[in-house]
Amino acid sequence: DIQMTQSPSSLSASVGDRVTITCRASQDIRNYLAWYQQKPGKVPKLLIYVASTLQSGVPTRFSGSGSGTDFTLTISSLQPEDVATYYCQNYNRVPLVFGPGTKVDI
Amino acid sequence: EVQLVESGGGLVQPGGSLRLSCAASGFTFSDKWMHWVRQAPGEGLVWVSRLRGDGSDTTYVDSVRGRFTISRDNAKNTLYLQMTSLRAEDTAVYYCASESYYGLGVWGQGTTVTVSS
Repeated sequence: DIQMTQSPSSLSASVGDRVTITCRASQDIRNYLAWYQQKPGKVPKLLIYVASTLQSGVPTRFSGSGSGTDFTLTISSLQPEDVATYYCQNYNRVPLVFGPGTKVDI
Repeated sequence: EVQLVESGGGLVQPGGSLRLSCAASGFTFSDKWMHWVRQAPGEGLVWVSRLRGDGSDTTYVDSVRGRFTISRDNAKNTLYLQMTSLRAEDTAVYYCASESYYGLGVWGQGTTVTVSS
């Protein structure tokens, strides 16, 4: 099975900061990588699919990049409402494993 | 409005069974791969299972294979997860989600399963 790792596991940043989260797959998953945001006590929300395509309605301060085994989620200017845990997910082959998550605080 | 509503969670003893349901509305249910994802208290997301729109293809994570069965009734726009031989480690919030463009685009609010004596 493909394993997914994320770094860092948590981070604290200031409003307006640029934030970068890294996701790594144990095997080549081409660009079949999704990112989710889960705010405290809320349901997960799809942010980005196929590594870099923004889901409809997601603010453009969110962006994704990468292919193969290394991927990045970037928040260009962190906002208070971005406090959440962010998960990547392998979408190339089953099982569709999630990464362990990155908790973002302000 | 696109919506998924789970039900059927509850408290069950180890070794027991439970069937979760997920009622879909606002989209053509039979067109969509549907998934179950779970989240244990304070833990991350775990993908559990998926089922093709026509019901012809199912996949499970190793930890539930042989104990859980995913199914659907397209006439009722409902997804199911039959869970048997439940263990304490199956305790979690269970979400159903519909697939769109290589991601889980719509999620239900979740239903809580607690396995305890």
